[in-house]
Amino acid sequence: GQQLNQSPQSMFIQEGEDVSMNCTSSSIFNTWLWYKQDPGEGPVLLIALYKAGELTSNGRLTAQFGITRKDSFLNISASIPSDVGIYFCAGQIAGANSKLTFGKGITLSVRP
Amino acid sequence: GAGVSQSPSNKVTEKGKDVELRCDPISGHTALYWYRQRLGQGLEFLIYFQGNSAPDKSGLPSDRFSAERTGESVSTLTIQRTQQEDSAVYLCASSPRGIGEKLFFGSGTQLSVL
Repeated sequence: GQQLNQSPQSMFIQEGEDVSMNCTSSSIFNTWLWYKQDPGEGPVLLIALYKAGELTSNGRLTAQFGITRKDSFLNISASIPSDVGIYFCAGQIAGANSKLTFGKGITLSVRP
Repeated sequence: GAGVSQSPSNKVTEKGKDVELRCDPISGHTALYWYRQRLGQGLEFLIYFQGNSAPDKSGLPSDRFSAERTGESVSTLTIQRTQQEDSAVYLCASSPRGIGEKLFFGSGTQLSVL
């Protein structure tokens, strides 16, 4: 099946720093989604991307749908302590009844 | 309701017992997913319901796991003869139409098998 690769598994940054996360696949996706999960909660959608090359911002977050349709990145600028959590990418290929595939997630820690 | 609701939020059971986990999706959402998340791990797909189509059960790890959905509403995930390795958070998500749509997650049920 399709696999999404997220690495590293954990990232540690200083408050105020920018951070970039990448998600790659050997398959072509038509949709890329980025989710954040806080402890004890379900993942919450941050940004949705539907078109190759699309660049979308949501506050301090920016995500891009790669031109090759095999990757996506998420940038967080000027990080703050509440950015701590697990960030998942998810992708969906074309085709009937195609379900989302999730990456394993990146745990972000922000040092005050 | 306004969001996806899951119950119970926590369940502690003894090995060998059966458990039922419930999910109330967002009203009007035709697609419903169940995922399992072990501690510190990613989301493991279990089963997918889309409208009246046959469910995609390809992610169920064994025949001890089953799920039902009544129309486009409530779903229950049943785990029979629970084992310690079943301990995890079970997340439910729904989306308006399923394909190419955003998923909205519940807060999950934390299952602990002693």
